[in-house]
Parts: sequence; structure tokens; C-alpha cells
Amino acid sequence: EDQVTQSPEALRLQEGESSSLNCSYTVSGLRGLFWYRQDPGKGPEFLFTLYSAGEEKEKERLKATLTKKESFLHITAPKPEDSATYLCAVRSYSGGGADGLTFGKGTHLIIQP
Amino acid sequence: ETGVTQSPTHLIKTRGQQVTLRCSSQSGHNTVSWYQQALGQGPQFIFQYYREEENGRGNFPPRFSGLQFPNYSSELNVNALELDDSALYLCASSFSSPIMNTEAFFGQGTRLTVV
Repeated sequence: EDQVTQSPEALRLQEGESSSLNCSYTVSGLRGLFWYRQDPGKGPEFLFTLYSAGEEKEKERLKATLTKKESFLHITAPKPEDSATYLCAVRSYSGGGADGLTFGKGTHLIIQP
Repeated sequence: ETGVTQSPTHLIKTRGQQVTLRCSSQSGHNTVSWYQQALGQGPQFIFQYYREEENGRGNFPPRFSGLQFPNYSSELNVNALELDDSALYLCASSFSSPIMNTEAFFGQGTRLTVV
């Protein structure tokens, strides 16, 4: 059974204070690791897909990296508008459905001005 | 290009009733998945539809069922509602083929409250 664990559960930073969010995963055959951003009461917004260890992707102040056991979402010089819950998910060959994603519980990020 | 749209946005039902939620997939996508998200939790996979057939299911009972239509839109039906069914229901669409699966794009969700 696929498992995804995100840490920390919550993180409060000052504006401009860089940090990293962690996503540890256990799967039988990774078909993709996904990062999403979710604002309160809204659906998740797609950020990145990573497929293999060593892969990195960047978008504005965000950078996602992947190893064989975990992924990191690095946030550089964050702004208050980066406040949201960040979700990590995996798609695997052993998942419950053909393409069903297994999500972690998310990291609730607050950026204070 | 239109995104994933869900209706209604909010719904209140009584325990034991039945509910139907609707989803229009993003243009160019042929696969629809449904997720349940309880407060403070990550989304949980309910099932997926591809070519109008269910081709994957998470750990949800048979009273959760669905349909996919020729235009790739979809419905989620829940019978005999229970209080624990109160959650945000998310629809996601993607493109699938024998050699690739794209990332899933989510709608804004339907907030279901069972009283």
C-alpha cells in the first residue's frame, strides 16, 4: 500500500525567510510525484510533476526536488501570497486505481508580513 | 481552454438521502477521478473513469458510484448518506493513453454537509 507522509504539519515563516517542506513516500514503482497548492475551500492547484530521482523543477519562488525516498519543496524568499496548504501525492503501479493519487495530509504554510 | 468545473458548490443533505455531484472535465482530457477530502486531511481517491468505465477504485463502499458520459463529463452518486460523508468532494481530469498519463487538474470542489 502506498504511503505519503508530509512534514511539518504546519509552518509559520516571516516574509523573505526561506525554508523547505518534506514529503516522504513508500510505493511499489513510482509513476510520478506531484505537488499541489490548496487555498482554503478550493480545489488543489497543480504545481509540479517529478518522475525520477535527481529531477528538479522550478516555478517562481518554488523548487521541487526528488530522491528515491522523499521530495522537497523549497520556498525561497516567500511572500504572504504563498500562504496555503501544500499537498504531495504519488501515482504508482500498485495504487488503488489505474491512475489514482495517494496524498499526504499536507503542510499548512503561513507567511507573515 | 476551459478548466474543470463542478456543481453544485455547496449542498446540505439529510442522513439516509441520496446525492448526485457533477463534473465537467478540462478540454482535451478523457479521464475523470473523484476524491473525498475531510477537513484537515489530504484528498482520498474514490474511483476513476476512463472510456465511460470505472477502471480503478479506492477503499470506498459500493454506495459510492459514478458515471462518465461520452463528452467525458462525470457524476458521483452517493446513496444512504451518513454523517461521515460530510466532506469536500473533488473531481480531477487528466489525459490517459496506453503510453502516458498526464497530471490531474482539479475542480473547485463540492462541499457536502450531511445533517
